[in-house]
Amino acid sequence: DAKTTQPNSMESNEEEPVHLPCNHSTISGTDYIHWYRQLPSQGPEYVIHGLTSNVNNRMASLAIAEDRKSSTLILHRATLRDAAVYYCILKYNNNDMRFGAGTRLTVKP
Amino acid sequence: DSGVTQTPKHLITATGQRVTLRCSPRSGDLSVYWYQQSLDQGLQFLIQYYNGEERAKGNILERFSAQQFPDLHSELNLSSLELGDSALYFCASSVETGGGTEAFFGQGTRLTVV
Repeated sequence: DAKTTQPNSMESNEEEPVHLPCNHSTISGTDYIHWYRQLPSQGPEYVIHGLTSNVNNRMASLAIAEDRKSSTLILHRATLRDAAVYYCILKYNNNDMRFGAGTRLTVKP
Repeated sequence: DSGVTQTPKHLITATGQRVTLRCSPRSGDLSVYWYQQSLDQGLQFLIQYYNGEERAKGNILERFSAQQFPDLHSELNLSSLELGDSALYFCASSVETGGGTEAFFGQGTRLTVV
């Protein structure tokens, strides 16, 4: 059911930036792009979301392609605590959130 | 702390039994979502409620049912339990159902069916 495609896994070094890609080629004009992450043994945690413009918050940045068919979650300086499964989800008004398999991020010290 | 409370945290029960999982959403949140996550599996969407009304249904078995009460807490009822129902069950809440609304998840209920 998921309409997004993400790499199964990625690795990063601690204190380096991480770019997590997501493809959503069938996105519609009313779909928001959401990112969540799930740390081991915890519930998913909201990271960031956007519609058309790039977005920044204290956790991350979201870069959205001009055609909106892809997006990238940017962690500016990865820490060991950022090791998690990252989910990219399309969410539209009055509809549910369906998660795909996500990207498992490993952060190496 | 997301503000979403799920009880109990752990539950062990036998096959064929019935259990009820409870979710208290964040204060002011009208929408509640339920998810199932089996070992090493992704999050499977079960059902969504908004202000007491069912809004969306996912891969929820007929043996499972849910409701959202007037005080906005929600319960997920699982009956005729099978070994394969062992999983983490997550509840999430959001203030509304708009596409630009983020959801907040509880810490989950770990159900073990023996």
